[in-house]
Amino acid sequence: TQLLEQSPQFLSIQEGENLTVYCNSSSVFSSLQWYRQEPGEGPVLLVTVVTGGEVKKLKRLTFQFGDARKDSSLHITAAQPGDTGLYLCAGVDGGSQGNLIFGKGTKLSVKP
Amino acid sequence: DAGITQSPRYKITETGRQVTLMCHQTWSHSYMFWYRQDLGHGLRLIYYSAAADITDKGEVPDGYVVSRSKTENFPLTLESATRSQTSVYFCASSWTSPPILDTQYFGPGTRLTVL
Repeated sequence: TQLLEQSPQFLSIQEGENLTVYCNSSSVFSSLQWYRQEPGEGPVLLVTVVTGGEVKKLKRLTFQFGDARKDSSLHITAAQPGDTGLYLCAGVDGGSQGNLIFGKGTKLSVKP
Repeated sequence: DAGITQSPRYKITETGRQVTLMCHQTWSHSYMFWYRQDLGHGLRLIYYSAAADITDKGEVPDGYVVSRSKTENFPLTLESATRSQTSVYFCASSWTSPPILDTQYFGPGTRLTVL
């Protein structure tokens, strides 16, 4: 079974700081997705990365897929309180079902 | 309103009772999914459906039953609820399924407590 490990598990920072969260696996994934989940709501897709080494930017968020397609990172520049939430990475299960496997998430709190 | 909805949003039940969680989507998406989210485990797939009358097991199907008689509805039934099934349940839908990566749209969740 493929596993996705996310770190750190919790992160509390002040508004304006930069941060990076990580998503790592010992297995190769054909693609990875990042979701953000706010309290009391379902996850919402932020980005999909497909190619090894790929970098995608979404305003202050920068997503990178590792060259070997085993890891990914999310970097947030000048964090804002609105960035608070649970960040989840998800990869396609390379097994027979081909469904999404989710990491346990990084819970981010940005204090004003 | 268009989108994906779940009902009820909160449910408290007792061990041994049957509980059905409802999921409805208005996009006519082919694929629908049920996940449970628990502290320390993240989101885990329970069952999924590729189309009406086609369902398959996910990672943690034991104790759950699903059906899909209509494209837009995908109810999840706990036939005899156990305390270990206390969780937050999310329904999701998409046009296609990985590995042809597509966006999964999640409902707001149902928080189920089994006493």
